[in-house]
Amino acid sequence: GAVVSQHPSRVICKSGTSVKIECRSLDFQATTMFWYRQFPKKSLMLMATSNEGSKATYEQGVEKDKFLINHASLTLSTLTVTSAHPEDSSFYICSARGIKGAVTSGWGNEQFFGPGTRLTVL
Amino acid sequence: AQSVAQPEDQVNVAEGNPLTVKCTYSVSGNPYLFWYVQYPNRGLQFLLKYITGDNLVKGSYGFEAEFNKSQTSFHLKKPSALVSDSALYFCAVRGTSGTYKYIFGTGTRLKVLA
Repeated sequence: GAVVSQHPSRVICKSGTSVKIECRSLDFQATTMFWYRQFPKKSLMLMATSNEGSKATYEQGVEKDKFLINHASLTLSTLTVTSAHPEDSSFYICSARGIKGAVTSGWGNEQFFGPGTRLTVL
Repeated sequence: AQSVAQPEDQVNVAEGNPLTVKCTYSVSGNPYLFWYVQYPNRGLQFLLKYITGDNLVKGSYGFEAEFNKSQTSFHLKKPSALVSDSALYFCAVRGTSGTYKYIFGTGTRLKVLA
């Protein structure tokens, strides 16, 4: 399979602090990782796309200085919510696509999703 | 512009009855279509995908979907619903711009009644 993990699964922090969320591909090389935000009972909103070794590409309306994304290796991407405020409370989900061993047709077309991180800012 | 529509916010069905969750799409070129399920406070679980080939796609947990090019639809179906199928279902299309972005529908909450 293709497994993506996220850590932590749940975090509570005080307003003004920064929080880092990790996204790891456990059994494949993630050439591209995506970060989504999901509000209660709503769909997923793509925040940014990151390619390994490159700067992330942010979607319109997403503050790049507030949501710092680093994709330093083929198995790890991090999202740092800087100076978090209560309105940043949300469910953050990452996904990854990439290559696994010998590339099989179509495999890289699919995104594999992490289990999500619930952020609560007090 | 590429888009995905899930016209129903919620679908209610009795246990044992067939279920359908609707999805229509608009995309230039050949679409890559996906269905995911989400349980409370969980990430997305993959159900099935259409890339090419047979229009009827079979997926996990007894779900299937039919790709209909003329109607630009990709409805999710299951012959006999279970209470445990109650969850939030998302249809997604992969963009054709080369960025591999997904465009998600707004989601449909399925409620299976015992």
